[in-house]
Amino acid sequence: KNEVEQSPQNLTAQEGEFITINCSYSVGISALHWLQQHPGGGIVSLFMLSSGKKKHGRLIATINIQEKHSSLHITASHPRDSAVYICAVKGGSNYKLTFGKGTLLTVNP
Amino acid sequence: ETGVTQTPRHLVMGMTNKKSLKCEQHLGHNAMYWYKQSAKKPLELMFVYSLEERVENNSVPSRFSPECPNSSHLFLHLHTLQPEDSALYLCASSPFLGNQPQHFGDGTRLSIL
Repeated sequence: KNEVEQSPQNLTAQEGEFITINCSYSVGISALHWLQQHPGGGIVSLFMLSSGKKKHGRLIATINIQEKHSSLHITASHPRDSAVYICAVKGGSNYKLTFGKGTLLTVNP
Repeated sequence: ETGVTQTPRHLVMGMTNKKSLKCEQHLGHNAMYWYKQSAKKPLELMFVYSLEERVENNSVPSRFSPECPNSSHLFLHLHTLQPEDSALYLCASSPFLGNQPQHFGDGTRLSIL
């Protein structure tokens, strides 16, 4: 069974700060997802990656397959970035996702 | 607009009630999923449908009964629920089972009295 650990569990930042959220997993995977969940409950897929690095606007996601670790970075953070960020992994040929517990990010103005 | 619509957004019911959650997707996807999200716990996969066939029943109690009448609609029928079933129930869809990102609805917040 793949375990997914996220750190930190809670993160408070000031507007403009550089944010890093980490995700570690225990067994081999075929893809890793970063998701964003706003207070209303809806979840949005931010990235799906299996190697290297992806960038979208102020968001950057990286993955190190050998170290079984991924990071989500937010540059020039803004209060509207406040949300829960969830890491999820998919192993091998299995279609199932294993989710982390999420990181609650609060960005203060 | 996420493309995946869930109704109702909030539901309060007694343990003896029967209710249904509805999910509808307009993305032309062939796979649909039900997840349960309890406080401070990771999302738990409940059911998966692919081309209207159930491919996963993740040890979910029989008081939860899914139905997928066509590839655009997914229901979760609820009866004689327990207080520990109070949670956010999320529906998702993807083009096919596999690597594609899943598109989530906004969820139904369920409270059992």
